Amino acid sequence: GNSVTQMEGPVTLSEEAFLTINCTYTATGYPSLFWYVQYPGEGLQLLLKATKADDKGSNKGFEATYRKETTSFHLEKGSVQVSDSAVYFCALSDPNFGNEKLTFGTGTRLTIIP
Amino acid sequence: DARVTQTPRHKVTEMGQEVTMRCQPILGHNTVFWYRQTMMQGLELLAYFRNRAPLDDSGMPKDRFSAEMPDATLATLKIQPSEPRDSAVYFCASQPGGEDTQYFGPGTRLTVL
Repeated sequence: GNSVTQMEGPVTLSEEAFLTINCTYTATGYPSLFWYVQYPGEGLQLLLKATKADDKGSNKGFEATYRKETTSFHLEKGSVQVSDSAVYFCALSDPNFGNEKLTFGTGTRLTIIP
Repeated sequence: DARVTQTPRHKVTEMGQEVTMRCQPILGHNTVFWYRQTMMQGLELLAYFRNRAPLDDSGMPKDRFSAEMPDATLATLKIQPSEPRDSAVYFCASQPGGEDTQYFGPGTRLTVL
């Protein structure tokens, strides 16, 4: 079955540091890949996505590239801010269910200190 | 700015009581999901509907959980009887037809004593 493996947290960085959160996946077919972010006390919201190999998703300074050869979708940001503190979830869609069903990773809690 | 709404936001109840959680999906979204989030299990899909028809409820304990969509503007998740292990945050999400992005509500935090 499909699965997503995320970097274990928590991750603590200083403001303006470089961020990488690793994500690898196992899937049949050609899923879309996503990063969702959950701020304290809120639901998840889409941060970025990529729908095919070599696509790069980007939003709010975050980027991730769909790497089929390494089955990875690592999240990066060049300079993090305190406001980026949140839990980040990597996810993939299931082409066998019309890309409706998502499989989520366990989440990585990120804390940015001033 | 259209959003998924969920009520109640917080619920504390005693073991054995019935709990009903409600979700209003974004107008025009035809797919609705129920998830449960716990520290131990992470985010689990409980059930989902397309055009109000249940498509998959394999993640839901059938003996005590039930999910319905009485109409296109309301989805409900019911637990009867509730148990302490049901304590979690329950999220509803909706998705427009033909798209793969899910829009999550703020969640209902359930505590069963």
